[in-house]
Amino acid sequence: AQSVTQLGSHVSVSEGALVLLRCNYSSSVPPYLFWYVQYPNQGLQLLLKYTSAATLVKGINGFEAEFKKSETSFHLTKPSAHMSDAAEYFCAVTVNFNKFYFGSGTKLNVKP
Amino acid sequence: GAGVSQSPSNKVTEKGKDVELRCDPISGHTALYWYRQSLGQGLEFLIYFQGNSAPDKSGLPSDRFSAERTGGSVSTLTIQRTQQEDSAVYLCASLKDPTTGELFFGEGSRLTVL
Repeated sequence: AQSVTQLGSHVSVSEGALVLLRCNYSSSVPPYLFWYVQYPNQGLQLLLKYTSAATLVKGINGFEAEFKKSETSFHLTKPSAHMSDAAEYFCAVTVNFNKFYFGSGTKLNVKP
Repeated sequence: GAGVSQSPSNKVTEKGKDVELRCDPISGHTALYWYRQSLGQGLEFLIYFQGNSAPDKSGLPSDRFSAERTGGSVSTLTIQRTQQEDSAVYLCASLKDPTTGELFFGEGSRLTVL
C-alpha cells in the first residue's frame, strides 16, 4: 500500500517569503504524486502533479514541486508567498490511478 | 452544473439515525470516489466506482456504511445507525481520465451526529 506523510499541520510565513510544504511518500512501486489545494469554503483542486516525466513540476499560481526518489519526497515550494495562498494543501499518491491516498494536510497562513 | 455537486451541504442527525449523502459527478466522468475528512485528519478513502466494474469498497470503515452508483452517474453514500465518530465532512470526487490523475471534488457534506 502507499501512503504520504506531511510534516507540519500548520505553516506560517510572511508575505513575500519562501513557502515550503513537506511531503514524503511510501510506495513499493513507482508512484504518481499530486498536490491539491483547498481554499476556504471551496472543494479541493489540483495544484500540480508528477507522472514520471520531469522531476521538477510546475503548477498553478507559481507553485512547483520536485520529485526526489532518493529522499522519497515531493515537497511543494513557492518563492514568494501571497496573501491569496492561504489555504490547506494536501499531498496525494497513487500507483494505478484507482486509489489516491492523501496526507493529513498542511494549513498555510500568510502574514502581512 | 459544471462541477461535482453534493447534497446536503450540512446534515445534523441524532445518534442511531440513518443518513444518505448524495453526489452528482461531472457528466462523462466514469470514476467516482468517496472520501471522509475528519478534523485534523487527512482524506480517508472510503469507496471507488469505475464504470460498470464492481466498486472497491475496501475503505468503508464498517458494515454500517454502504454506497451505490446508479446508471453510472449519481452516487449515494448511506450511513446506518450513525455514531458520533461518524461526524466528518464527506467528500465526493470524480475523474474523467485516469492518466491525468485530476480529481474534481465537490464541496462536501458536513455530517454532525449528536
